Amino acid sequence: NAGVTQTPKFRVLKTGQSMTLLCAQDMNHEYMYWYRQDPGMGLRLIHYSVGEGTTAKGEVPDGYNVSRLKKQNFLLGLESAAPSQTSVYFCASSMGGTWDEQYFGPGTRLTVT
Amino acid sequence: LAKTTQPISMDSYEGQEVNITCSHNNIATNDYITWYQQFPSQGPRFIIQGYKTKVTNEVASLFIPADRKSSTLSLPRVSLSDTAVYYCLVGAALFGGYQKVTFGIGTKLQVIP
Repeated sequence: NAGVTQTPKFRVLKTGQSMTLLCAQDMNHEYMYWYRQDPGMGLRLIHYSVGEGTTAKGEVPDGYNVSRLKKQNFLLGLESAAPSQTSVYFCASSMGGTWDEQYFGPGTRLTVT
Repeated sequence: LAKTTQPISMDSYEGQEVNITCSHNNIATNDYITWYQQFPSQGPRFIIQGYKTKVTNEVASLFIPADRKSSTLSLPRVSLSDTAVYYCLVGAALFGGYQKVTFGIGTKLQVIP
């Protein structure tokens, strides 16, 4: 039981490049989330999903897109990376919604130069 | 969404009991109080959740007074491995709506040998 895994762990992009971050969970959770964490800012919700095939915007969705084609996977895409997207990205999942216990992945550290 | 206020940082010696208080004056009737712990370079980890009075698990206790305008996370006999950031969250799932959760900047606990 791996829990929540994230790929890749580190990435450096140049401004304007695109990439996809993959999150996978093996707990059969309905809800999945993408957060970003910046120094002194806590975690901020980017997008979330309440089930396979659904996605919704969170607090800071601009510049990101997501897809949940399979229940166990939640993808976060950056179509044209900007230095402001330099951050640590965390994926999480939960069974019963935001206020149910959320299980977090190890994070992806992204640097955009 | 209830705003929370908690100390930015705390220091404690090993073996002591640590109490971190979170203020949430505008907590709503349906809101739960949840605490997470985050170690450096890791995602947050759920510690404890409560609605009123006292909740205890193998890791911590959560004390909630009758008016629920504050809550106190209690960590018994801390060790160096308890050095982490602790987040207090207050909120509830919205039926059919956006389920917002806000991680503030948390309380950075430093345990001193």
